[in-house]
Amino acid sequence: AAGVIQSPRHLIKEKRETATLKCYPIPRHDTVYWYQQGPGQDPQFLISFYEKMQSDKGSIPDRFSAQQFSDYHSELNMSSLDQGDSALYFCASSSNSGGGTDTQYFGPGTRLTVL
Amino acid sequence: TQLLEQSPQFLSIQEGENLTVYCNSSSVFSSLQWYRQEPGEGPVLLVTVVTGGEVKKLKRLTFQFGDARKDSSLHITAAQPGDTGLYLCAGVRGGSEKLVFGKGTKLTVNP
Repeated sequence: AAGVIQSPRHLIKEKRETATLKCYPIPRHDTVYWYQQGPGQDPQFLISFYEKMQSDKGSIPDRFSAQQFSDYHSELNMSSLDQGDSALYFCASSSNSGGGTDTQYFGPGTRLTVL
Repeated sequence: TQLLEQSPQFLSIQEGENLTVYCNSSSVFSSLQWYRQEPGEGPVLLVTVVTGGEVKKLKRLTFQFGDARKDSSLHITAAQPGDTGLYLCAGVRGGSEKLVFGKGTKLTVNP
């Protein structure tokens, strides 16, 4: 079965640079979530989109923005990167239409390293 | 404060032993999910429980959702070295879509 696809898998950036992470949800899933996981930490929710509209917001810095496109893929844009942004970034998707159980399926993650 | 308290944090057992991991909260969850995560990889869904008192079995793994939907447990029977990994519980509260995670249980099963 098709899973969540994330790209790139690894990304190395310098301080103050920008980065764009991409997420392609499971086909027919309408909701996308972004999480950040620091070393030894549990995943922390950043932001989610349902049908291309922001649906919930967590601890996402103002330097970050995200959007969901008409084909349901999502991009997380990160600017003015600093070393504290180094982490694993996960995208998850779910189907929230028609009374789904909101089970979230995770992608393999993007490992961002800021030097 | 951690909304979902998961215990134990670390567990090292011998092959063939049984174990139980607990996930507790003072809050009610509309659903609760258990994931297994390998280092550097995304969490892989094991099960979703949505009904209070629900029990689900996945081979040697048994998952239970508390009657009040505030807690859950994962029981592994006759653990095998292949069960080694990080187990995460995560829940969704009513009115929110985000998953709230426990800190995880790092399980090591020794041959």
